[in-house]
Amino acid sequence: DAGVIQSPRHEVTEMGQEVTLRCKPISGHNSLFWYRQTMMRGLELLIYFNNNVPIDDSGMPEDRFSAKMPNASFSTLKIQPSEPRDSAVYFCASIQSGKLEAFFGQGTRLTVV
Amino acid sequence: AQSVTQLDSQVPVFEEAPVELRCNYSSSVSVYLFWYVQYPNQGLQLLLKYLSGSTLVKGINGFEAEFNKSQTSFHLRKPSVHISDTAEYFCAVSSSNDYKLSFGAGTTVTVRA
Repeated sequence: DAGVIQSPRHEVTEMGQEVTLRCKPISGHNSLFWYRQTMMRGLELLIYFNNNVPIDDSGMPEDRFSAKMPNASFSTLKIQPSEPRDSAVYFCASIQSGKLEAFFGQGTRLTVV
Repeated sequence: AQSVTQLDSQVPVFEEAPVELRCNYSSSVSVYLFWYVQYPNQGLQLLLKYLSGSTLVKGINGFEAEFNKSQTSFHLRKPSVHISDTAEYFCAVSSSNDYKLSFGAGTTVTVRA
């Protein structure tokens, strides 16, 4: 398996634009997580899905952020409108039920100017 | 809810010297404990995990950690480091009733020749 695949690896966008980050989890993994990493706040859990259903979105910072998982092999994290303070590295991770080990993607480095 | 404190933000160490990274956790329920490593511009990779059983766990790349329930600690050690161990190390905890990982702030290890 190729592991967790995130795209794009880098995104530079202007303030106010919509940004969509994509994640393909490892096949057979049924839990998916979106994390944000910044120098100031470290690694923060934004949302997690189990069997494509959002279980906990309490970490989503505000209504500008939304996440979907339309099927077991794809998830998106959307920011609309984006702001400079959203600049961070966004990671997607997946877990196989009962295994507990999270596998992380390479991350998307988002810069909002 | 659970939380993790990594007591050292930066640890400089000479090649072939031992290193210990400290991690303390708090939780009201049984926990699973993890150490992840992040190399520059990469995602996180699992080093080792404690789920149950022996309190001394061995991981990849010669690392080991000891779970101490009375001190709520899970310190990471390596007897002899290499230049290639230069990275950021994260301690993480999840509870026995969900898969959410809570991360510490990270410890940057810099190995010098």
